[in-house]
Amino acid sequence: EAGVTQSPTHLIKTRGQQATLRCSPISGHTSVYWYQQALGLGLQFLLWYDEGEERNRGNFPPRFSGRQFPNYSSELNVNALELEDSALYLCASSLGTSGGPRNEQFFGPGTRLTVL
Amino acid sequence: GNSVTQMEGPVTLSEEAFLTINCTYTATGYPSLFWYVQYPGEGLQLLLKATKADDKGSNKGFEATYRKETTSFHLEKGSVQVSDSAVYFCALMNSGYSTLTFGKGTMLLVSP
Repeated sequence: EAGVTQSPTHLIKTRGQQATLRCSPISGHTSVYWYQQALGLGLQFLLWYDEGEERNRGNFPPRFSGRQFPNYSSELNVNALELEDSALYLCASSLGTSGGPRNEQFFGPGTRLTVL
Repeated sequence: GNSVTQMEGPVTLSEEAFLTINCTYTATGYPSLFWYVQYPGEGLQLLLKATKADDKGSNKGFEATYRKETTSFHLEKGSVQVSDSAVYFCALMNSGYSTLTFGKGTMLLVSP
């Protein structure tokens, strides 16, 4: 069974540009989560999508947004990039609310975003 | 709010030494607790979990016990290997919410 996949592996942008990151969940999973792993800040929750709806959002500005498609894959968009957006962005998937409130999240390998 | 505090690293050990990485948490209700491991250049892998007080999670020789009275979930291994070198994250998931709150991570370096 294929795991969570993310693309691209690396992304280099300049300040002010927009970045789009993609995530494909494990087959059968309906929930997708996005986390940011920035140097010195640890892992911080960004967004949670389930069944196409945004369910929860972390403490990030509105220029971080995303969506979930009918096939449950997801995009994370970061507008007006700033230097401090440089980080590893991790996507995770789970069975979603149908799997109970504490079901396990499986992580992808991440997208390394570098903002110059 | 929820928070997780881990001991700061790096933790440097020789092969076959005993490992303890401390983790304490603050949360409302009765969270589930997790340890994730991140090998160099890779994403996170679930190492073990515990969903209620006094549960012991175990995997690959690692163990952690959910201690509600001390709000702790310390990770232990009796004999570490060089291949255990990685960053270890303690995390919690609160009842009713499906997002994870992570500690800052502890780097483990094991030398031969």
